[in-house]
Amino acid sequence: DSGVTQTPKHLITATGQRVTLRCSPRSGDLSVYWYQQSLDQGLQFLIQYYNGEERAKGNILERFSAQQFPDLHSELNLSSLELGDSALYFCASSPTPASGTDTQYFGPGTRLTVL
Amino acid sequence: DAKTTQPPSMDCAEGRAANLPCNHSTISGNEYVYWYRQIHSQGPQYIIHGLKNNETNEMASLIITEDRKSSTLILPHATLRDTAVYYCIVPPLPGNAGNMLTFGGGTRLMVKP
Repeated sequence: DSGVTQTPKHLITATGQRVTLRCSPRSGDLSVYWYQQSLDQGLQFLIQYYNGEERAKGNILERFSAQQFPDLHSELNLSSLELGDSALYFCASSPTPASGTDTQYFGPGTRLTVL
Repeated sequence: DAKTTQPPSMDCAEGRAANLPCNHSTISGNEYVYWYRQIHSQGPQYIIHGLKNNETNEMASLIITEDRKSSTLILPHATLRDTAVYYCIVPPLPGNAGNMLTFGGGTRLMVKP
């Protein structure tokens, strides 16, 4: 158990719909990361938040957005869903110290199926 | 962040040591080498990381060459539960540009009875 929790575990929805995925980081971790893993793309970084602020963006679609709240939990919002958005979505967290290394710990993921 | 190269697959007999190599010839002086593994669609699991010296924890040992251009992850007594995809990653140093992990193809380790 990494200490990172994600809800829901599974989500089945229809094209055009909107869903919200939730992540609670490990206690004390300031950074939250979102990654997408689809069958044909492998694990890809989407976005990083640090202490409530966006820090880095990867291959995140404009239809997707995220935020990190004052209690440090994060939500990933996916809208106008397409079949190709079906994937595993992982959240990770890390302490992000001022210097040195910063190890990320991953949650169990949310499996999204778009029908 | 430095690019890494790993063999796509390896087999190992149960109970034997599994040695997984990784090349990272463009690694810079302050960058760390990280190893993660993913067991069939579960969340990636952190294994170990190192800078220059060899490292050991309860899961594995990490041997880094003196020139830091390659490393080897060693699972001393592989079990069937170690069957997974193993990723060698050199992330950017923490900073305002972010320190995301870039996952390549990894090495698919199959531990056989």
